[in-house]
Amino acid sequence: GIQVEQSPPDLILQEGANSTLRCNFSDSVNNLQWFHQNPWGQLINLFYIPSGTKQNGRLSATTVATERYSLLYISSSQTTDSGVYFCAVQKGGSEKLVFGKGTKLTVNP
Amino acid sequence: GAGVSQSPRYKVAKRGQDVALRCDPISGHVSLFWYQQALGQGPEFLTYFQNEAQLDKSGLPSDRFFAERPEGSVSTLKIQRTQQEDSAVYLCASSLGWRSNQPQHFGDGTRLSIL
Repeated sequence: GIQVEQSPPDLILQEGANSTLRCNFSDSVNNLQWFHQNPWGQLINLFYIPSGTKQNGRLSATTVATERYSLLYISSSQTTDSGVYFCAVQKGGSEKLVFGKGTKLTVNP
Repeated sequence: GAGVSQSPRYKVAKRGQDVALRCDPISGHVSLFWYQQALGQGPEFLTYFQNEAQLDKSGLPSDRFFAERPEGSVSTLKIQRTQQEDSAVYLCASSLGWRSNQPQHFGDGTRLSIL
């Protein structure tokens, strides 16, 4: 099946710093979503981005489908950004999302 | 409701007991998914419904796991004769249409602990 690799696995930042999270996938996809899982376990939709670039406040994402990767940018990080960021993809012919192992982000005050 | 609702939020059961987990999808969403998330891992697919039809159950780990969505809305995931390895968070998601290019929206999950 399709493989999803996220890097880095862990990231520690000081409040106010910027960061880039990466997601590589092994095959062409119909759907790609970025999620934030907060410390309470809630999985929050950040972006639905099978291709192109989107921005939402301090967050933005870019997916280059032809090169099979996506990037999530976090600018001016805040302590509330802490948690685990997951990339998940959906391959054509299958409805399920396949998740990466996540990037655990800790933002210190 | 505004989002996907799951109940109970927490469930503790003794090994060997049967459990039932409920999911209320977003109103009007045709597709419904169940995922299992072990501690420290990403969610893994269990099963998928389009309306009341269960179209993919390839992720169910054993025949002790059973899911249904009889009227195409609320879904129940049932685990029979629970084992300790069933301890995990069970997440439900729904999406608007039957095409794969629709985002999935997740509930808060049910945290299941088997003693």
